[in-house]
Amino acid sequence: SQKIEQNSEALNIQEGKTATLTCNYTNYSPAYLQWYRQDPGRGPVFLLLIRENEKEKRKERLKVTFDTTLKQSLFHITASQPADSATYLCALDGFGGSQGNLIFGKGTKLSVKP
Amino acid sequence: EADIYQTPRYLVIGTGKKITLECSQTMGHDKMYWYQQDPGMELHLIHYSYGVNSTEKGDLSSESTVSRIRTEHFPLTLESARPSHTSQYLCASSEAGTGGLDGYTFGSGTRLTVV
Repeated sequence: SQKIEQNSEALNIQEGKTATLTCNYTNYSPAYLQWYRQDPGRGPVFLLLIRENEKEKRKERLKVTFDTTLKQSLFHITASQPADSATYLCALDGFGGSQGNLIFGKGTKLSVKP
Repeated sequence: EADIYQTPRYLVIGTGKKITLECSQTMGHDKMYWYQQDPGMELHLIHYSYGVNSTEKGDLSSESTVSRIRTEHFPLTLESARPSHTSQYLCASSEAGTGGLDGYTFGSGTRLTVV
């Protein structure tokens, strides 16, 4: 079955630094991979999508890379701010019971200290 | 403003009660989904719909049922709530033509506690 692993449950960094979050997957070759932000008690918010034929995508301070050989995506937040503190979820399109709907990882909780 | 609404936000209910979690979206999306999420855990797909009168079960087995009589409305029903149903339930929608390519829009969720 498909499996998504996000590098760590929690990541603590200092304000102004670059946060790098990792998403690894197995047993599948997704057509695209998405990143979401989730705040406590709220639903996830869509941030970025990257297709299998794209190596990198940027949006303001966010950058996502996608390496289909390594089966890995990296999510970077540059010049991080305390307001960036949240849980970040990786998601990919799935097959089987999901019929192409999104499968989510557990997420990485990012804390940015002032 | 285009959005997706879930009610109630919080619900505490006794065992054996019947409950319906409401979900409505104003974006005209054909595809809608229900995910279940426990604290610190990943979202699990429990139901989805590709349009009116279309409903399917997701990866996670659930005793809940759903209906899709109108495009904008996708309620979830538990006929007899049990403590094992205690969880956060998240509703989402996306454009059918692009599947999830533009991302899912999620509601704020319903936190259900069955006592």
